[in-house]
Amino acid sequence: TQLLEQSPQFLSIQEGENLTVYCNSSSVFSSLQWYRQEPGEGPVLLVTVVTGGEVKKLKRLTFQFGDARKDSSLHITAAQPGDTGLYLCAVLYNNAGNMLTFGGGTRLMVKP
Amino acid sequence: GAGVSQSPSNKVTEKGKDVELRCDPISGHTALYWYRQSLGQGLEFLIYFQGNSAPDKSGLPSDRFSAERTGGSVSTLTIQRTQQEDSAVYLCASSLHILGAFFGQGTRLTVV
Repeated sequence: TQLLEQSPQFLSIQEGENLTVYCNSSSVFSSLQWYRQEPGEGPVLLVTVVTGGEVKKLKRLTFQFGDARKDSSLHITAAQPGDTGLYLCAVLYNNAGNMLTFGGGTRLMVKP
Repeated sequence: GAGVSQSPSNKVTEKGKDVELRCDPISGHTALYWYRQSLGQGLEFLIYFQGNSAPDKSGLPSDRFSAERTGGSVSTLTIQRTQQEDSAVYLCASSLHILGAFFGQGTRLTVV
């Protein structure tokens, strides 16, 4: 069982649609990060959430950290082809609480 | 440099040969990570360096894989006696604090 479960694994939608992807765990975290990876590139950090219930907006992207700090969601409004990529959530987790651990990712394709 | 630099960007090697992959992290970043990504897959953790602490090698898939980080800066990932299943993109990331990691472009390794 993975520490972070991301769903759905794959999502294919038309341009202009809205979507939400999820990152869930049974563990509590002090913070959680979201990354986007485009083909042929390394992942790029989008946002870090640190407070339970926190909502952060980045243009058409809305990130929420669950009240219990066990889960997070990413909502994209009016998706565009440029949003296509692999969306990864990550937390700092090991005995020392400082090793970056990733979920399996959601692969999003937005068709024009 | 301004970002994480990895070299080479592409490497084709014959089965059984040794390869060395290099990562130049962002100056001052204390944490350095190596991940492996097969085509269409998520990130597979390999090894983690944090300051002067002993590295976390728990993700290395076999004893053919090793890594070192000299002077708390540049890191080299070495794969001995390469096999075809080692073919993947190898990603390096560095970070300073909880707010996020920065990735290089990766090294695409092909074992023929």
